[in-house]
Amino acid sequence: NAGVTQTPKFRVLKTGQSMTLLCAQDMNHEYMYWYRQDPGMGLRLIHYSVGEGTTAKGEVPDGYNVSRLKKQNFLLGLESAAPSQTSVYFCASSTRRGPVGIYEQYFGPGTRLTVT
Amino acid sequence: GDSVTQMEGPVTLSEEAFLTINCTYTATGYPSLFWYVQYPGEGLQLLLKATKADDKGSNKGFEATYRKETTSFHLEKGSVQVSDSAVYFCAEGGAQKLVFGQGTRLTINP
Repeated sequence: NAGVTQTPKFRVLKTGQSMTLLCAQDMNHEYMYWYRQDPGMGLRLIHYSVGEGTTAKGEVPDGYNVSRLKKQNFLLGLESAAPSQTSVYFCASSTRRGPVGIYEQYFGPGTRLTVT
Repeated sequence: GDSVTQMEGPVTLSEEAFLTINCTYTATGYPSLFWYVQYPGEGLQLLLKATKADDKGSNKGFEATYRKETTSFHLEKGSVQVSDSAVYFCAEGGAQKLVFGQGTRLTINP
């Protein structure tokens, strides 16, 4: 199993450009997440999905859109990039495990995005 | 909303020293609690977890005990190694979402 993969690994955008980050998981997980990681801020949830065809807003959704057309893929879009969106973006997936129902999240390697 | 507060870093220790990284949470009820580790240039990996009061999670020599009375989940290791150098994140959550602390950067010197 590859686990959670992210494409691309690095990207530089100019202000106003658009791009899509792709996340793929091969573990048949129901839940998928997009986070951004900034120095001193930990991880902040952008959007998440509880199943194919569903999406929901997280803590910092403004300026981003997402789609989950297939269970294994979760796309994050930036329609008009801004320097404030310079960050490292992580995708994660999870599923219910065990009788207690714990949800462990599995993370991808990240995408480093710079907006100039 | 819920929040997680971690001991501020960076933390620098010598090899074989004792490690404690404090973590407290605000969620009510009995959230699941986690410690994740992030090595340079990589994503987060689950280090250990606990799901109910007084549970002790352990892995790779690290331990943390779910303390409901103090809403804490402090990470400990008796003898750290250079290879433990990384950023450590405490998190709490239920079914759909996790709330992460800000992370604590740990550097172990030989």
